[in-house]
Amino acid sequence: DAGVIQSPRHEVTEMGQEVTLRCKPISGHDYLFWYRQTMMRGLELLIYFNNNVPIDDSGMPEDRFSAKMPNASFSTLKIQPSEPRDSAVYFCASSFGGNEQFFGPGTRLTVL
Amino acid sequence: QKEVEQNSGPLSVPEGAIASLNCTYSDRGSQSFFWYRQYSGKSPELIMFIYSNGDKEDGRFTAQLNKASQYVSLLIRDSQPSDSATYLCAVNPGTGNQFYFGTGTSLTVIP
Repeated sequence: DAGVIQSPRHEVTEMGQEVTLRCKPISGHDYLFWYRQTMMRGLELLIYFNNNVPIDDSGMPEDRFSAKMPNASFSTLKIQPSEPRDSAVYFCASSFGGNEQFFGPGTRLTVL
Repeated sequence: QKEVEQNSGPLSVPEGAIASLNCTYSDRGSQSFFWYRQYSGKSPELIMFIYSNGDKEDGRFTAQLNKASQYVSLLIRDSQPSDSATYLCAVNPGTGNQFYFGTGTSLTVIP
């Protein structure tokens, strides 16, 4: 079975541009999580969904960040406008029933 | 106060030795506990979870939980160079289904 799928794997963009990260959770999982990882701050939860509904977005750093989950098999994390301090690895993870989380390969974002 | 605390290391052990990784958490009502391994440039990979006080063994890995002391540990027996990675402790506080992650402990197994 395929695991969590993320795209793109790498993204290099210029400050001010819009960035969209994509995630396909494991089929049958009802929770989806977006994380950001940096050397300084470690792994931070940005937002999570249950059955496509956002449950907690308190980790979203600013209004520049938004996330959607239009159906059970797809979610996006959008940054508009992007800034250099947004450079990080963004992970999507999914779980069934809020138990063990399985991570995707991540998107390495570089904002110049 | 951070929700989950880990010694960042680095921790170095010789091949064949036991590596001991420790984690403390602040929320006494926490329900479930997880250990993830993350190789450099890769995503976190679940290796163990534990829900009840005591020990849980899986191959060379043993997770230990002491809820009274708010302490969870991971022991790796017969450490191998391939165990060299960062180990992340994660805690589900039980209020909602988010995890709180520690900052990770870097482990190096020296051949």
